[in-house]
Amino acid sequence: GAVVSQHPSRVICKSGTSVKIECRSLDFQATTMFWYRQFPKKSLMLMATSNEGSKATYEQGVEKDKFLINHASLTLSTLTVTSAHPEDSSFYICSARRSGYEQYFGPGTRLTVT
Amino acid sequence: KQEVTQIPAALSVPEGENLVLNCSFTDSAIYNLQWFRQDPGKGLTSLLLIQSSQREQTSGRLNASLDKSSGRSTLYIAASQPGDSATYLCAVYSGGGADGLTFGKGTHLIIQP
Repeated sequence: GAVVSQHPSRVICKSGTSVKIECRSLDFQATTMFWYRQFPKKSLMLMATSNEGSKATYEQGVEKDKFLINHASLTLSTLTVTSAHPEDSSFYICSARRSGYEQYFGPGTRLTVT
Repeated sequence: KQEVTQIPAALSVPEGENLVLNCSFTDSAIYNLQWFRQDPGKGLTSLLLIQSSQREQTSGRLNASLDKSSGRSTLYIAASQPGDSATYLCAVYSGGGADGLTFGKGTHLIIQP
């Protein structure tokens, strides 16, 4: 149990376009979902926390108007990178938490902006 | 602000050796500490989760210890195998306003056949 999926696994988009990444908890309801970003040879950095039905809480330095997060249901959160630029190229990983503190991670999405 | 440091950054050992990966954190007020494995270009695989009230957790050849007061954790891998080659990440959950995990930069482990 506690499986989290992400779609797509890889995406290439042109500079200036927007791209949406989905995160789903497949076999449990997630009260909270998290979005992380990982640059090459760097650690994962938390971008934002989203609770179902409420606005996401963004970490300092993360532009909320650029990284739109929607947590429409207890099993789905989406991250939309708006007007993407090459510096947004990164590995984006989501996680989901049910009751308790443990987070279950998705397989990640590799975003390349050309 | 919580900071997590992992030492060494990289490690290469022959197959069969026992090894220890180290993790330290600056704020001892944590709820739990988790060790993950990450293969190149892949997501995270949770290895062990230690609650703040626990001293250690074991799973197969892996043993993780936690000394909360000193802000340290170790991951012990026994009888290493080439399949253990990966990046190992340590992360802490501090709760409060910081709802996500704080990760270290990882230890890149290579087990030589």
